[in-house]
Amino acid sequence: NAGVTQTPKFRILKIGQSMTLQCTQDMNHNYMYWYRQDPGMGLKLIYYSVGAGITDKGEVPNGYNVSRSTTEDFPLRLELAAPSQTSVYFCASSPQGISYEQYFGPGTRLTVT
Amino acid sequence: KNQVEQSPQSLIILEGKNCTLQCNYTVSPFSNLRWYKQDTGRGPVSLTIMTFSENTKSNGRYTATLDADTKQSSLHITASQLSDSASYICVVSVTGNQFYFGTGTSLTVIP
Repeated sequence: NAGVTQTPKFRILKIGQSMTLQCTQDMNHNYMYWYRQDPGMGLKLIYYSVGAGITDKGEVPNGYNVSRSTTEDFPLRLELAAPSQTSVYFCASSPQGISYEQYFGPGTRLTVT
Repeated sequence: KNQVEQSPQSLIILEGKNCTLQCNYTVSPFSNLRWYKQDTGRGPVSLTIMTFSENTKSNGRYTATLDADTKQSSLHITASQLSDSASYICVVSVTGNQFYFGTGTSLTVIP
């Protein structure tokens, strides 16, 4: 099993550009999560999904969109990139909800200039 | 306000020594508390998950404790190794799939 994979590893965007961060898991987990990690700060939940077709907002959803058309994939979309979205983005999955261990991907480092 | 605070912010210890990291939280309603290890440039890896009723949980040389009354947790690392150098993150979850992450303790183990 590859676990949770994320692409790309690094990306530089200009202000106003759009992009999609890809996340795929091969563990047949129902729950998937997107976090951002800013320097010196704790991870913050952006969006999460409890299964295909179901998504919900986390603590910091503004400026982002998600979709979950399959169990395996949970892409994160940035429509109009802003410097405040410069961060490291982590995708995670778990078999079920908050009582279960989360498995994190390697992260995507995004810089918006 | 829901907060998770960790101390110390950073710590340097000699290989083979023990250390204890602290986590205080004001999150409610409490569901569980986790400790993660995050190597530089990698995603966090789970060490332990503890519910309200659990006081202690071990994972090899890592032992976590939880005092739900005082809202404190600690992570004790025994006989440290160079590979223990990482950031250790405390996370408290509440009902409704919300997670509150501490900023982490950066541990450096030197030979």
